[in-house]
Amino acid sequence: KAGVTQTPRYLIKTRGQQVTLSCSPISGHRSVSWYQQTPGQGLQFLFEYFSETQRNKGNFPGRFSGRQFSNSRSEMNVSTLELGDSALYLCASSGGQVDPQYFGPGTRLTVL
Amino acid sequence: GQQVMQIPQYQHVQEGEDFTTYCNSSTTLSNIQWYKQRPGGHPVFLIQLVKSGEVKKQKRLTFQFGEAKKNSSLHITATQTTDVGTYFCAGPITGTASKLTFGTGTRLQVTL
Repeated sequence: KAGVTQTPRYLIKTRGQQVTLSCSPISGHRSVSWYQQTPGQGLQFLFEYFSETQRNKGNFPGRFSGRQFSNSRSEMNVSTLELGDSALYLCASSGGQVDPQYFGPGTRLTVL
Repeated sequence: GQQVMQIPQYQHVQEGEDFTTYCNSSTTLSNIQWYKQRPGGHPVFLIQLVKSGEVKKQKRLTFQFGEAKKNSSLHITATQTTDVGTYFCAGPITGTASKLTFGTGTRLQVTL
């Protein structure tokens, strides 16, 4: 099976702009989770989608949002970008609630 | 909130030496997962432990889940340069099955 894919791989934006990141899960996986990874805060859970519904949410401001489509593909959006949003954004898919997570290569976002 | 700490933060060993990282959760975990992230890469699932006191082996890697299900360890015997990376433990946030809290990670450096 093909792995989790994320696009774009790299992105440079300026403060105040918005960005949309895309994730295609492993075929058959219906759960998609998003994480933010920074050197200072480590890996932090953003949200999880299952069957087009947000099932869990982390402690991030409302500027961070996401959605999932009927084919399980997911997007996350960050509005009004801040310098502190610079990070590696990782998407992970899972076959079930207690199953392991399979990560994509990530999108490296730089906010200038 | 739930916290998962790992020690040490960083370890540098000579090839052939053993290595252990310890993971401690502030709350009881229903299961614990271990991931490895190579430099510049994304987390890759290694193993999941579910039962109290469980021990699993993968070649030179030995994983343990504590009796109280609040701690875990990963031991690598006779490290190789291919073991370089950051090792993360992760457990579900209390009350959820799929919302993971990742540990702070242990970065392993192996030199010849």
